[in-house]
Amino acid sequence: EVLLLESGGDLVQPGGSLRLSCAASGFTFSGNAMSWVRQAPGKGLEWVSSISNNAFTTLYADSVKGRFTISRDNSENTLYLQMDGLTADDTAVYYCAKCNTYCQYRWFDSWGQGTLVTVSS
Amino acid sequence: DIQLTQSPSFLSASVGDRVTISCRASQGVSSYLAWYQQKPGKVPRVLIYSASTLQSGVPSRFSGSGSGTEFTLTISSLQPEDFATYYCQQLNSYPLTFGGGTKVEIK
Repeated sequence: EVLLLESGGDLVQPGGSLRLSCAASGFTFSGNAMSWVRQAPGKGLEWVSSISNNAFTTLYADSVKGRFTISRDNSENTLYLQMDGLTADDTAVYYCAKCNTYCQYRWFDSWGQGTLVTVSS
Repeated sequence: DIQLTQSPSFLSASVGDRVTISCRASQGVSSYLAWYQQKPGKVPRVLIYSASTLQSGVPSRFSGSGSGTEFTLTISSLQPEDFATYYCQQLNSYPLTFGGGTKVEIK
């Protein structure tokens, strides 16, 4: 069974930083690209970032480019999202999602339970 | 960026109704479109991928069709557990965008 467990969400002040983690199990982590998707309170889904299986390729939404960094540790089966320069607009539940091998041209076949990031003074 | 417009954004329907949700892309995405269901307080789950392929374990009352810029999600006979919000997502090109969602509620 695929399991994705996010952690690291917290209340942080504007301008602050946070690192999210997603511990993966139940599948060959190093064989799949991964993504982060967020959902602001009462709003829809927004793709944030994706990373290839070997970490060679990383992509970002314009809204987070230059502030967020996606990474992964295939030896630890863990996905990360380093978030810097946080603003109130970044307040959301952040989901880790497993791409079906690749993200582009495929689909997100498993999602974690999400971790809440709240940016407020 | 490719914009996805879902319609309607909200619909009220009864158990047993046939429900159709539309997703229109601002430019062609071939068949690289997925549909997700999200129940209140729950995690999204994939229903349909590649526009028309049913994900394993998803009831056959769900179906998807379309290609290019026009896509449809159909629920042939709405069941109580289908009341949720549905999102389309294009995976043709980055950024991988989602539609705004369609909330299906009980009439």
